[in-house]
Amino acid sequence: QKEVEQNSGPLSVPEGAIASLNCTYSDRGSQSFFWYRQYSGKSPELIMFIYSNGDKEDGRFTAQLNKASQYVSLLIRDSQPSDSATYLCAVNDYKLSFGAGTTVTVRA
Amino acid sequence: DTGVSQNPRHKITKRGQNVTFRCDPISEHNRLYWYRQTLGQGPEFLTYFQNEAQLEKSRLLSDRFSAERPKGSFSTLEIQRTEQGDSAMYLCASIQTATNEKLFFGSGTQLSVL
Repeated sequence: QKEVEQNSGPLSVPEGAIASLNCTYSDRGSQSFFWYRQYSGKSPELIMFIYSNGDKEDGRFTAQLNKASQYVSLLIRDSQPSDSATYLCAVNDYKLSFGAGTTVTVRA
Repeated sequence: DTGVSQNPRHKITKRGQNVTFRCDPISEHNRLYWYRQTLGQGPEFLTYFQNEAQLEKSRLLSDRFSAERPKGSFSTLEIQRTEQGDSAMYLCASIQTATNEKLFFGSGTQLSVL
């Protein structure tokens, strides 16, 4: 079993819609959770991190964490064409363990 | 520009040759990571340093791979006797663990083994 698993995608959403990305992790002791965005040919950049159960909002992005279910998600509201990228879920157990990523395409 | 510098950006080599990559982290960052990423996959952990000490190597990493971080500043990753399966993007990232949990990535070195 992989340490971090993401829904495979690709995910295509119309402009202005909500994109919903899911991630599960295997290590119940994990404490820190991150979402990275990676444009094609570029390196990952951090967009959200969350440590506590519940929701965390930052602009159009909301991260949700449920440690009991070992589940973390990312919602992108009012999706824009510039949000088209691969989104990587990462879990920190002193090193970051990444999922394979979900590719999101926002249709204009 | 994230502040983490990697060189070269691209490397094309023939199978069996040795290659070396360099990473210059953000100057005050004490921890440095190397990752490898292939198309359609997330970054895969290779190794990391706390200052000059190499604290862990992935068990998936063969003996052909070696990394150093002399004096706790820049780091090098060497691959000996390259194989076609080594073709990937090699990413370096750094962080200051005392003050900030944000990991900064370099632009990566794209290795192609022919």
